[in-house]
Order: sequence, then structure tokens, then C-alpha cells
Amino acid sequence: RKEVEQDPGPFNVPEGATVAFNCTYSNSASQSFFWYRQDCRKEPKLLMSVYSSGNEDGRFTAQLNRVSQYISLLIRDSKLSDSATYLCVVDNQAGTALIFGKGTTLSVSS
Amino acid sequence: GAGVSQTPSNKVTEKGKYVELRCDPISGHTALYWYRQSLGQGPEFLIYFQGTGAADDSGLPNDRFFAVRPEGSVSTLKIQRTERGDSAVYLCASSLKLGTGELFFGEGSRLTVL
Repeated sequence: RKEVEQDPGPFNVPEGATVAFNCTYSNSASQSFFWYRQDCRKEPKLLMSVYSSGNEDGRFTAQLNRVSQYISLLIRDSKLSDSATYLCVVDNQAGTALIFGKGTTLSVSS
Repeated sequence: GAGVSQTPSNKVTEKGKYVELRCDPISGHTALYWYRQSLGQGPEFLIYFQGTGAADDSGLPNDRFFAVRPEGSVSTLKIQRTERGDSAVYLCASSLKLGTGELFFGEGSRLTVL
């Protein structure tokens, strides 16, 4: 089983749609969780951290379920500028590195 | 600029050659990471430095790969006897502290092995 698994998509949605991405991780000892965003041929950038209680940043909501080892990202009112690859990220067992999923590609169209 | 700087941005080499990729992290960031990203994949962890020492090199695929950070700032990733399968974007990232928090990535060095 891969350490971080994501549905690669692509997700093709119209502007204004709500879209949800899911991710599972294998290391039950992981303590840190993030969503990163990567635009085409650019470097990944932190989108938001994910906390056990769930957290929201504008149109973006992240949730974590430690029991089922599941992380989600919800994007409301999608914008054209949200088109990108969204990477689910979890720390490794030693806490020395961040492990990235394959990414889920989102394409928002007008 | 104040970001992570990587050189070269593009490198084309022949199979069997030696390659060095350089990373200049954000000033004051003690943690430095190397990742490798192939097309359609997420970044794959290679090695992590805390200061001058390699705190975790478990991601290096084999002994052809080696990285140094002699003065705790600039790092060099070295690849010996390159193979076509080494073709990828090599990303360097730095952060203020170990393991958690935000990683700041450079734009990457795109390596093509012919």
C-alpha cells in the first residue's frame, strides 16, 4: 500500500461548482497533514494545514479522520484560478520529511 | 530574490555521465530537502538535511545518488553514472524547522538523460 493515496482525477467542473478531493494515508503515527497546490510546470506551494478538528480558509475546507486515516479537501464556488493539481501531504514515521501523494488534477471551466 | 534558488534550471546529459544540481535555500532555514518528481507523480522524498548533516537519506534510490551540505546552507545533489530513468525534475525545499510546517520549494532542476 502506498503511503499516501489520492484519486488522480482529472476532475472537470464548471465555475461555481463544489468539488471534494479525498486522500488516505498508511502511517498511523503521522502527526502532520497538509494540502499543497501545484500549478502546471511550477513548484508545489502550501495551500493549507489540516487539523483534527477540521479547518476552513475561505472557500477551502480541510478535514482529517485519524481513525480511518482519511483526509479531505472541499472547494466551494470553484474559480478558473483553482485549476491546478492538489497534493495530499503527510509526515513520515520519523517526522523528518513530508510524503506527497500523486496529486489530484482539477480543471475549472467557464 | 528571497526564495529557494536552484541551478541549473535545465540539464541535458548523456547516459553514464555525472551530474551536479545545486540548491541555495532561504537564508536562515536550517532544514533542507531534496525531492524528485516524475511526470504525473507527486514529489518523491530523497534526502533531508538539518544543518550540515543528512538526518534522513532513506529516499535516495541507490548509491549513485549522493548529496552534501558542507556549510549548512547551499546543498549539492550529485548523480553518478546517470541512467535514463533518472530523468525527472529535482526539487529542493527549505523550511525553518524539522518535519512540520511549510516547505518552500525552488522551481526545480529538470534533468533529461539521453
